[in-house]
Amino acid sequence: GIQVEQSPPDLILQEGANSTLRCNFSDSVNNLQWFHQNPWGQLINLFYIPSGTKQNGRLSATTVATERYSLLYISSSQTTDSGVYFCAVTQRGGGNKLTFGTGTQLKVEL
Amino acid sequence: GAGVSQTPSNKVTEKGKYVELRCDPISGHTALYWYRQSLGQGPEFLIYFQGTGAADDSGLPNDRFFAVRPEGSVSTLKIQRTERGDSAVYLCASSSVGGSTGRGTEAFFGQGTRLTVV
Repeated sequence: GIQVEQSPPDLILQEGANSTLRCNFSDSVNNLQWFHQNPWGQLINLFYIPSGTKQNGRLSATTVATERYSLLYISSSQTTDSGVYFCAVTQRGGGNKLTFGTGTQLKVEL
Repeated sequence: GAGVSQTPSNKVTEKGKYVELRCDPISGHTALYWYRQSLGQGPEFLIYFQGTGAADDSGLPNDRFFAVRPEGSVSTLKIQRTERGDSAVYLCASSSVGGSTGRGTEAFFGQGTRLTVV
């Protein structure tokens, strides 16, 4: 099956800093989603982005499907951005099941 | 409903007992998924329903796990003869479009059921 790797695995930022999270995948995908898992375990949808670039407030994402990677940008980070960020994909020809990456644990400090 | 709802939020059971976990998807969503998340890991796929039928159950770990969706809406994940290794958070998701192409299938997750087997 498809492999999804995220980097960095852990990240500590000062409030107000910017960061870039990366997601690499090993095969062609139909869909790609970014999620934020908050400290209570809820998976919050950030972006549905199988290709192209999207922006939502301080967050933006870019997927280059032909090169099999996606980037999540967080600008002016806030303590509420803390948590785990997951990238998840559906493999082309693999049906609708999402395969999740390894996650990036983000901690934003004052 | 407004979002995916899972009950109970927490379940503690004794080893060997039977448990049922319930998922109520977003109204109108035809596709429903179950995932399992162990501590420090990403969610792992268990089973996918399109309507009433299980379209892909390749992620179920063994025959102690079974899921149903009899009317194409609410789903129940059933675990027989629970083992301590079954302890995890069980997540349910739904999406508006299914089908073999996988297109248009943004998934939305519930808050999960934390299962602890003692």
